[in-house]
Amino acid sequence: RKEVEQDPGPFNVPEGATVAFNCTYSNSASQSFFWYRQDCRKEPKLLMSVYSSGNEDGRFTAQLNRASQYISLLIRDSKLSDSATYLCVVNRNNAGNMLTFGGGTRLMVKP
Amino acid sequence: DAGVTQSPTHLIKTRGQQVTLRCSPKSGHDTVSWYQQALGQGPQFIFQYYEEEERQRGNFPDRFSGHQFPNYSSELNVNALLLGDSALYLCASSLTGDNNEQFFGPGTRLTVL
Repeated sequence: RKEVEQDPGPFNVPEGATVAFNCTYSNSASQSFFWYRQDCRKEPKLLMSVYSSGNEDGRFTAQLNRASQYISLLIRDSKLSDSATYLCVVNRNNAGNMLTFGGGTRLMVKP
Repeated sequence: DAGVTQSPTHLIKTRGQQVTLRCSPKSGHDTVSWYQQALGQGPQFIFQYYEEEERQRGNFPDRFSGHQFPNYSSELNVNALLLGDSALYLCASSLTGDNNEQFFGPGTRLTVL
């Protein structure tokens, strides 16, 4: 079993739709959680950190459920420019800032 | 302020050869991590360098080795290349510390024939 698991998609949604991605992690020692965005043939870039209290950045909302070891990302009012692969990432801080990535979920937003 | 840079951009090698990839961290960063991303997969942690020493290592064989120089730049070496080593190799830099953001370079795409 992979340490971080995501539905690979693709999720094909129309502009303006709301889409949600989920992710589960297996190592209960994980301390920090993130969503990264990766455009085709580009490097990953940090989208947002994820906190137990939940956090929002514009159209993006991230949630963490430590008891269920589950992370989510909600995108509201999807734009064409949101088309990318979204990577769920965990960090076992006692492992010196070593990031463990999920396989990514591909999102395609269509006109 | 230059971000993380990597060279070369693309590389083609044959099985059994050796390759060296290079990374210059973002200005002010002292820690460099290397990741391997196979097509359609998420990046996998190879190892991390701080103060010119390997501090953490992922599940990669000894054919993968690295080095960090006094100016914090880093090299990744892969010996006895296999077809399965074909991937995008990403370098990430950060300040030392458990939760500091890692900034990724554009990567080196290695093809092994």
